[in-house]
Amino acid sequence: SYVLTQPPSVSVAPGKTARITCGGNNIGSKSVHWYQQKPGQAPVLVIYYDSDRPSGIPERFSGSNSGNTATLTISRVEAGDEADYYCQVWDSSSDHPEGVFGGGTKLTVL
Amino acid sequence: EVQLVESGGGLVQPGRSLRLSCAASGFTFDDYAMHWVRQAPGKGLEWVSGISWNGGSIDYADSVKGRFTISRDNAKNSLYLQMNSLRAEDTALYYCAKAPSAQLVRCYFDYWGQGTLVTVSS
Repeated sequence: SYVLTQPPSVSVAPGKTARITCGGNNIGSKSVHWYQQKPGQAPVLVIYYDSDRPSGIPERFSGSNSGNTATLTISRVEAGDEADYYCQVWDSSSDHPEGVFGGGTKLTVL
Repeated sequence: EVQLVESGGGLVQPGRSLRLSCAASGFTFDDYAMHWVRQAPGKGLEWVSGISWNGGSIDYADSVKGRFTISRDNAKNSLYLQMNSLRAEDTALYYCAKAPSAQLVRCYFDYWGQGTLVTVSS
């Protein structure tokens, strides 16, 4: 089955830019979605279809996807952005489609 | 406002069964596909199963195929997950999640419930 690889952790100072990667074989040919999960809370969709933002998500959140890597970029990072972030694709390459999540990246705001 | 409220979790012995429910409100339930996603304690997210708007298309993760059955009752705005032959590794918080489209195509999850905890232990 399809595998998504994320770094376990990323650290960034407040006001700086955080980049969280999601690696997968030819992931650029798939649509990538990103979720934010704060401790004790359900995940929240922050980016869908590589780079679209749901209503209510700050413009500081953006996404890109090309080749073997998708990236979630958080500009002007705030303390409230500290959370786990997961990438996700819908893999239709086999005879049974399935949802696939990356292992998650813990974003620490220094 | 979209609301998804899961119920039915609890402590169950290995090999036994459990049925989870998800009550949906705030949107036209039968216009959308629905999914179950789980999260083991301290671990990441794992997609479990999805069902199209009318139940005509259903998919499962390999880890639960043959043991879990997803279903929906559009008249009751409810989603279900029948879990049989439970194993210790099924211990997780089970989330109900809404898809933004009717079919199981290019799925993502735009709304999530708060989850119901399933613990499989003797």
